[in-house]
Amino acid sequence: EVQLVESGGGLVQPGGSLRLSCAASGFIFNRHWMHWVRQAPGRGLVWVSHISSDASTRNYADSVKGRFSISRDSAKNTLYLQLNSLRAEDTAVYYCARERSGRGIAFDYLGQGTQVTVSS
Amino acid sequence: SYDLTQPPSLSVSPGQTASITCSGDKLGDKYASWYQQKAGQSPVLVIYEDNKRPSGIPERLSGSNSGNTATLTISGTQALDEGDYYCQAWDTGTVVFGGGTKLTVL
Repeated sequence: EVQLVESGGGLVQPGGSLRLSCAASGFIFNRHWMHWVRQAPGRGLVWVSHISSDASTRNYADSVKGRFSISRDSAKNTLYLQLNSLRAEDTAVYYCARERSGRGIAFDYLGQGTQVTVSS
Repeated sequence: SYDLTQPPSLSVSPGQTASITCSGDKLGDKYASWYQQKAGQSPVLVIYEDNKRPSGIPERLSGSNSGNTATLTISGTQALDEGDYYCQAWDTGTVVFGGGTKLTVL
């Protein structure tokens, strides 16, 4: 059974940092591109970042470029998102998502999410 | 940047057909996916590659994509279909979501 379990969220002051983790199991982790998607309270889904299966390609939404950093550890089957210089508008539930193999891009599994709250 | 536009809300009666649209420039040249999100839950993929259903998704959910519009159709809508629906596509290295449509089954 595929499982994605996020952790690392919490309350942080503006300008602060957090590192989110996503523990993956039930599939061959290093065969899939992985993504982070977030959802602000009462708002829609917003793509944040992705990383290729071999970690050679990474991309970010303009709103987080230069502040967030995605990485992965194949030995630990874990995806990470380092959040720096946090702003109030970064407050959201952050979901880890697996990209399905095939044409186009679709997320066949998303985790339960971890809440990040940026407030003084 | 690439934008996907969805109607904010849609109401249907039980047993009726619900059609949720998603509009974007030349969207038909890309692959569209759809997600269902029920209150307090994570999103679930219901359609990928325009019209394919993941295992476990009922046949009464179907998708199409042509021109500038992708459509998610729910036939024989049931109360359990209530929730938010998001379309999604990929454009020049980034993933784009529509704003979401809240489906209410009255």
